Amino acid sequence: GQNIDQPTEMTATEGAIVQINCTYQTSGFNGLFWYQQHAGEAPTFLSYNVLDGLEEKGRFSSFLSRSKGYSYLLLKELQMKDSASYLCAPMDSNYQLIWGAGTKLIIKP
Amino acid sequence: GAVVSQHPSRVICKSGTSVKIECRSLDFQATTMFWYRQFPKKSLMLMATSNEGSKATYEQGVEKDKFLINHASLTLSTLTVTSAHPEDSSFYICSASYGGDNSPLHFGNGTRLTVT
Repeated sequence: GQNIDQPTEMTATEGAIVQINCTYQTSGFNGLFWYQQHAGEAPTFLSYNVLDGLEEKGRFSSFLSRSKGYSYLLLKELQMKDSASYLCAPMDSNYQLIWGAGTKLIIKP
Repeated sequence: GAVVSQHPSRVICKSGTSVKIECRSLDFQATTMFWYRQFPKKSLMLMATSNEGSKATYEQGVEKDKFLINHASLTLSTLTVTSAHPEDSSFYICSASYGGDNSPLHFGNGTRLTVT
C-alpha cells in the first residue's frame, strides 16, 4: 500500500531551526512535494524534490533520499508565522499525490 | 505566480439544497483541476479529477451523482454538492497546475461548507 509517516506535532522556539521528517511508501515515484497549510486555509506550495539531495529556498530547505524513501523539510530562523501544518506529499507512478495528515508545527516565543 | 481563485469562501445551506463552488485559474489555463475534501486535522482527500471538456474522474467511494463536477473551460471548474446533508459539511479545496504532470499544484483558498 501507499503511506506517509510524519510526526503529528512538533514544537520549536522562535529563531531556532527545526527539521520535519517524512518517510513514505508509494507505487512508483515521481517526486515529492512539501506544502504549508495554516489552520482553516488551503495548502501553499513550498518545495519539490525529484532527485536525491538538498534543495534550498531561502529559510526553507528540503532533502530527499529516494533509496530510503525519506525526505525532510528544514526551517531556519523560525518565525511565529511559521506555525502551521507541513504536508509531505510524494507523487506516485500515476502522478497522483499521496497525502498524509501533516505535521503541526508550533512556534513558541 | 499561478493564482487559483475559489468562490465562495464560506457557505451555509439547508439540508436538501444544492451548493455550487467555483474554481478559476486566473493567469493560466488548466486542462486538469482537482477537487479535495478535508476534515479537521485530517489529510486532504482527493475527490475527483476534473478534465476540461470531458467527464470527471471520481475516486473510489465518492458519489458522482452527489458531487457534480463540470469543467467547461480551461479556466473554470465547478463542484456542485446536490441535496446536501449535514455530513457533507467540510472544507472543499480545488487545485490546478499549469505545467506537466509533476508541476506543483496551486490551491484555491477553499470553501467552508456548513449544512444545517
